[in-house]
Amino acid sequence: AAGVIQSPRHLIKEKRETATLKCYPIPRHDTVYWYQQGPGQDPQFLISFYEKMQSDKGSIPDRFSAQQFSDYHSELNMSSLELGDSALYFCASSYYVQGGEQYFGPGTRLTVT
Amino acid sequence: GQNIDQPTEMTATEGAIVQINCTYQTSGFNGLFWYQQHAGEAPTFLSYNVLDGLEEKGRFSSFLSRSKGYSYLLLKELQMKDSASYLCAVRDAPNTDKLIFGTGTRLQVFP
Repeated sequence: AAGVIQSPRHLIKEKRETATLKCYPIPRHDTVYWYQQGPGQDPQFLISFYEKMQSDKGSIPDRFSAQQFSDYHSELNMSSLELGDSALYFCASSYYVQGGEQYFGPGTRLTVT
Repeated sequence: GQNIDQPTEMTATEGAIVQINCTYQTSGFNGLFWYQQHAGEAPTFLSYNVLDGLEEKGRFSSFLSRSKGYSYLLLKELQMKDSASYLCAVRDAPNTDKLIFGTGTRLQVFP
């Protein structure tokens, strides 16, 4: 079965640079979520989109922005990167009508040096 | 505030049964999820409870008591590959998408 696709899988950036993470949800899923997971920590919800509109917002810094496109893929844009942004960034998707179980992608490991 | 508690670590023997508990205190409740996560990998969905009772899925079962703010994940016939972190997550309102995760329970299965 098709899964959530994230790219790139690994990304190394320097402080103050920008990064763009991409997420392609499972086909027919209409909702996308972004989570940040630091080393040894639990995933922290950043933001979500339903039918291309922002549906919920969590602890996403103002330096970050995201959007969902007409083909339902989503991009997380991160600017003025800081060392503390180094983490695993997971995208998850769900089909709202089916109860909202979220299926996670493999993650993008971002390292800021 | 939101609080989800799980034991930090557990150990068990191959072939045995283990129960991982989760207690939650959230402003609302609209479902509890269990995920399995191997180190450096994505969380994998295991189960979803929104009503009280037991949900069974093969070797895995999950129980929920909303009045007690309590859930457990039961793993039977443990296999070495079950060594992983198990995350309890709560959706705290009907009109929200976000999941609030516990810090996870690291399970080690020994031969």
